[in-house]
Amino acid sequence: GNSVTQMEGPVTLSEEAFLTINCTYTATGYPSLFWYVQYPGEGLQLLLKATKADDKGSNKGFEATYRKETTSFHLEKGSVQVSDSAVYFCALIYNQGGKLIFGQGTELSVKP
Amino acid sequence: KAGVTQTPRYLIKTRGQQVTLSCSPISGHRSVSWYQQTPGQGLQFLFEYFSETQRNKGNFPGRFSGRQFSNSRSEMNVSTLELGDSALYLCASSLGLPTDTQYFGPGTRLTVL
Repeated sequence: GNSVTQMEGPVTLSEEAFLTINCTYTATGYPSLFWYVQYPGEGLQLLLKATKADDKGSNKGFEATYRKETTSFHLEKGSVQVSDSAVYFCALIYNQGGKLIFGQGTELSVKP
Repeated sequence: KAGVTQTPRYLIKTRGQQVTLSCSPISGHRSVSWYQQTPGQGLQFLFEYFSETQRNKGNFPGRFSGRQFSNSRSEMNVSTLELGDSALYLCASSLGLPTDTQYFGPGTRLTVL
């Protein structure tokens, strides 16, 4: 079946460090891929998305490229800030009527 | 545009009771999906409604049910609450195509004692 695997956290970085959070997926066909972010006590916010192979999603300095050959959608940011501390979820949606499949989440902590 | 709203934000119930949670989607969105978030199981899909019809369902017992009204607002109900039902319940709305982007509400935190 369809699934998403993320690197385990927590990830602890210093401010201005480079961030990579790995995400790989298993799916039949061509799913759409998403990164969501969850701040403490809040719901999920869409960070970026990509709907087909080689698409690059970007937002607020974060980027991820849909790699079909490696079934990956790794999240990157060149210089993290303390305010980026949150839990990040990779997710896919296939033609299954509104059902997002999530990875387990990766907690990011950025220290000043 | 107003975002997805969920009420109430917090609930405390005891085992055996039932509970109803409400979700108002973004204006113009016709699909509402519900998810359960727990530390152990992560984010799990409960069900999705589109135009008042359940279009997809996850692997949850029949105690979990939902409905959608003609204005696209949705409710989910959990009957005979168990301790394990304690979770953050999130709803998300989208325009309605199966792969459309979903936008989430702040969630309802349910605690079962």
